[in-house]
Amino acid sequence: AQSVAQPEDQVNVAEGNPLTVKCTYSVSGNPYLFWYVQYPNRGLQFLLKYITGDNLVKGSYGFEAEFNKSQTSFHLKKPSALVSDSALYFCAVRDPDSGGYQKVTFGTGTKLQVIP
Amino acid sequence: NAGVTQTPKFRVLKTGQSMTLLCAQDMNHEYMYWYRQDPGMGLRLIHYSVGEGTTAKGEVPDGYNVSRLKKQNFLLGLESAAPSQTSVYFCATGIAGMIYNEQFFGPGTRLTVL
Repeated sequence: AQSVAQPEDQVNVAEGNPLTVKCTYSVSGNPYLFWYVQYPNRGLQFLLKYITGDNLVKGSYGFEAEFNKSQTSFHLKKPSALVSDSALYFCAVRDPDSGGYQKVTFGTGTKLQVIP
Repeated sequence: NAGVTQTPKFRVLKTGQSMTLLCAQDMNHEYMYWYRQDPGMGLRLIHYSVGEGTTAKGEVPDGYNVSRLKKQNFLLGLESAAPSQTSVYFCATGIAGMIYNEQFFGPGTRLTVL
């Protein structure tokens, strides 16, 4: 079975400071990992994904994420936070061995608040 | 292109009433999904479809039914609404055979059952 955990319900960061949103996962095989962002009253939007290769993945809006196999983590990062980054962030995992319909397990979400 | 659209955006029902949520996509994706989003619980899969005429149960299917008569549409039905079905419902699509691709989400339907 696959699972994903986001240990922080909320992260507060000052504008201009670096931000990190944490995610850890559990799968039986090699994972496919995703980050999505949800702005108020909107659907989820894809930010970035890790499939294979370089452990540092770059995505939209200046975000990046680091895959760490030994720690089973996939933390989302940004060097300098913007107020407009304030949103709900979801980590998701897919186990390639889990079968046909692209079952994806989502975390519970982390609310990012960037303080001006 | 509109992408993934959902109708209606908001709805208030009384307990026992029925309704259908419509998801439409113009992306020609094979896979379609219905999720519900509840505070502190992330997204949970209700039902999914891997192609026209096929549907299957997800994690939380009880109280819901679905149909995929046309490739571009995926309907979610509540036959007898209950307060526990108060939630935000999201439709998503995915490309068949591309297991590492992301899903594409609609804007959501906020449902309140009184």
